[in-house]
Amino acid sequence: GENVEQHPSTLSVQEGDSAVIKCTYSDSASNYFPWYKQELGKGPQLIIDIRSNVGEKKDQRIAVTLNKTAKHFSLHITETQPEDSAVYFCAVVIDQTGANNLFFGTGTRLTVIP
Amino acid sequence: SAVISQKPSRDICQRGTSLTIQCQVDSQVTMMFWYRQQPGQSLTLIATANQGSEATYESGFVIDKFPISRPNLTFSTLTVSNLSPEDSSIYLCSVDNTGELFFGEGSRLTVL
Repeated sequence: GENVEQHPSTLSVQEGDSAVIKCTYSDSASNYFPWYKQELGKGPQLIIDIRSNVGEKKDQRIAVTLNKTAKHFSLHITETQPEDSAVYFCAVVIDQTGANNLFFGTGTRLTVIP
Repeated sequence: SAVISQKPSRDICQRGTSLTIQCQVDSQVTMMFWYRQQPGQSLTLIATANQGSEATYESGFVIDKFPISRPNLTFSTLTVSNLSPEDSSIYLCSVDNTGELFFGEGSRLTVL
């Protein structure tokens, strides 16, 4: 199966600074890369995703970049705010045929310090 | 996106008992799934809930321990049977809606 590594496991930034979380994967057939934000006591929320035919996608303060050759993708949060504090999970989907082909990273706990 | 409601949101159960978790979706979806999230960990797929047929379980999960029902395209239940403290986790329902995976708020189970 797919092997997804996520770094760092914890990240603290000052409010207003940027945060970057990186994930690597092993299966070159992977073609869909979602990111989830999980706040305390809540389920994961899809915040942005990217497909293999795109190198970068941006949604306001959040962006994701994908390097298929190197098999890594990153989440970028700019102008961080305290409400960005949460655990972030990357995921990788092979062939996008269902959750049995969805593999999660180990998570990054982001803390934004006011 | 799909709106997913899970019940109960949390429960405390005694060892040896069972807990059934319900998942209701506001629209018909083909694919429904159940995940487990152990404390401080990532998400692990338990099974795919198939409408009108038996669920498909991932390696390490068996039907006797995690029976699943899927009577229609908007509802599913997961039962965690013969509870032990190791079953203390968050259990999450999710649906695949046009290629994107959405999650419910989760059911936090504590086994004493």
